[in-house]
Amino acid sequence: QKEVEQDPGPLSVPEGAIVSLNCTYSNSAFQYFMWYRQYSRKGPELLMYTYSSGNKEDGRFTAQVDKSSKYISLFIRDSQPSDSATYLCAMSSGNQFYFGTGTSLTVIP
Amino acid sequence: GAVVSQHPSWVICKSGTSVKIECRSLDFQATTMFWYRQFPKQSLMLMATSNEGSKATYEQGVEKDKFLINHASLTLSTLTVTSAHPEDSSFYICSAFFRGALAKNIQYFGAGTRLSVL
Repeated sequence: QKEVEQDPGPLSVPEGAIVSLNCTYSNSAFQYFMWYRQYSRKGPELLMYTYSSGNKEDGRFTAQVDKSSKYISLFIRDSQPSDSATYLCAMSSGNQFYFGTGTSLTVIP
Repeated sequence: GAVVSQHPSWVICKSGTSVKIECRSLDFQATTMFWYRQFPKQSLMLMATSNEGSKATYEQGVEKDKFLINHASLTLSTLTVTSAHPEDSSFYICSAFFRGALAKNIQYFGAGTRLSVL
């Protein structure tokens, strides 16, 4: 079983839609949970991070962590064409990091 | 937020030459830096973990003599692709790990380097 599982998509939504991106994991020792956005031919950019369980909101983005279910989510409200990118989930324990394979998102104008 | 600077962003070289890629942490001292390779439409593939002042730890299947990593200071790590060949053409990304309450135990990535070997 992989440490982190993420549906690669691709996911295509109309502009203005709510997008839900998800990852599951198997290691209960993970403490930090992150979402990165990666545009084509660019390095990943940190979007959100959460320590332990709970929700965190930043503008149109909301990150949720459910440690009991080992499940994390990223919600994007009022999606824009500029949100079209690959979204990577990541989690860490100490200096061990694990990344999902990324979900490709296209927001259609 | 923390910033990681990676240079060059794109390099084209002839087969057999060596290429050096620099990764600098600008806002924090990075105890650890990571080097990744990414093929088109694929996820990040960890190549090596670089700790300041010590030898890099390479992932299985990565040739340490081919991909030389130097982490001489807490703000600079370099990756040298020696005797590059066309199959080494790829997107290389570095990241820096900032430990501690302020930095939240998170990896910050450079912008990546596209290497094209002719």
